[in-house]
Amino acid sequence: DAKTTQPPSMDCAEGRAANLPCNHSTISGNEYVYWYRQIHSQGPQYIIHGLKNNETNEMASLIITEDRKSSTLILPHATLRDTAVYYCIVRDQGGSEKLVFGKGTKLTVNP
Amino acid sequence: GAGVSQTPSNKVTEKGKYVELRCDPISGHTALYWYRQSLGQGPEFLIYFQGTGAADDSGLPNDRFFAVRPEGSVSTLKIQRTERGDSAVYLCASSLSVGAFFGQGTRLTVV
Repeated sequence: DAKTTQPPSMDCAEGRAANLPCNHSTISGNEYVYWYRQIHSQGPQYIIHGLKNNETNEMASLIITEDRKSSTLILPHATLRDTAVYYCIVRDQGGSEKLVFGKGTKLTVNP
Repeated sequence: GAGVSQTPSNKVTEKGKYVELRCDPISGHTALYWYRQSLGQGPEFLIYFQGTGAADDSGLPNDRFFAVRPEGSVSTLKIQRTERGDSAVYLCASSLSVGAFFGQGTRLTVV
């Protein structure tokens, strides 16, 4: 079962920042937080991952709270092409390698 | 190749028939995963290979489902005596370290 909780849907205006929350209150010390997204009719796409420090790459930023029980994915300037389902996943790097997907958040970027 | 390739992209089969779905991972990726996705749901884990061996097959729903990866590269997901409930998009992903890369999937329809 997925170890994360996400809102089922969110809206964002084009050009504004999209902040997608995720709760993972049962996360353990060796588990990482991963974010993927799935654009309609495509396979999931890796976005970013982190353990406890905030992370940034060319796609997004990941903010993890100090207690690691929640995180936020930030798309700094959302475009219409960012409309997708976003999945927050907790994964044990040292154990089973599988990614367990929940239902994710459907982000709609509006013009 | 440039990415994970799955063939066929679409497969329609009659109930009770046998089907094979093929996955060509990114060259050099040692890990390979199979997922299936029903409409409106997140991807559901089926099986994970590390090299030639199945490291975790806990997601295979029953003994009609079987997957192989004989040379540690291409993998085939095999479904015997297909049922209408097997209709879904079957996704394959490969990984070398962090971040799994997914193919576009095979849409299987059992009629």
